[in-house]
Amino acid sequence: EVELLESGGALVQPGGSLRLSCAASGFTFNNYAMNWVRQAPGKGLEWVSIITDRGDITKYADSVKGRFTISRDNSRNTLYLQMNSLRADDTALYFCAKALAGSCGTTTCNSRVLSLWGQGTLVTVSS
Amino acid sequence: DIQMTQSPSSLSASVGDRVTITCRASQGISNSLVWYQLKPGKAPRFLLHAASRLESGVPSRFSGSGSGTDYTLTISSLQPEDFATYYCQQYDSIPLTFGGGTKVEIK
Repeated sequence: EVELLESGGALVQPGGSLRLSCAASGFTFNNYAMNWVRQAPGKGLEWVSIITDRGDITKYADSVKGRFTISRDNSRNTLYLQMNSLRADDTALYFCAKALAGSCGTTTCNSRVLSLWGQGTLVTVSS
Repeated sequence: DIQMTQSPSSLSASVGDRVTITCRASQGISNSLVWYQLKPGKAPRFLLHAASRLESGVPSRFSGSGSGTDYTLTISSLQPEDFATYYCQQYDSIPLTFGGGTKVEIK
């Protein structure tokens, strides 16, 4: 079965750190770009970060740039999100999502189309 | 950044109704538009991309159209399992941006 399973969400104090993991199964993980998307309580979806299939290109939303780091271990079929200097406005349900492709093509960028999502892991930043 | 304006933010409809949701981009996005369906406690579901390309397994009552800055998602005959929140997303440029969502509720 094709599946993404996030873990690592927790209650953390402002300024703290957390590492999220996303375990992939049922597909060839190293063929696809991966993304993190979050949803704050009662709010809409916010894209957080993307990493290409080989892990050589990463991009971030301005709201997390310099604080969050996306990475992947293709030998373990696992995606990560290292979150540092956490703030209250980082409180959200964090989803990992598989893309349609590994990287951008010449005419379209299907690595930015989120074709499979996990159920999310909850991060709460509060004192 | 490209801003995505989705409307309406919510709607009430009955089973069998035709439903249309609109998404407007702040600049042209060359059909680089995706639609997702969200239900509480479940993984979001990918419905279609490239504005109109339906994902395998998605019922044909869902369709997408549009060009330039204006796009629509249409559900031709609303079914009980379609009551959910729908989001558009542009992938023309980074950062990826989503519309504010449309909650489809039972009338």
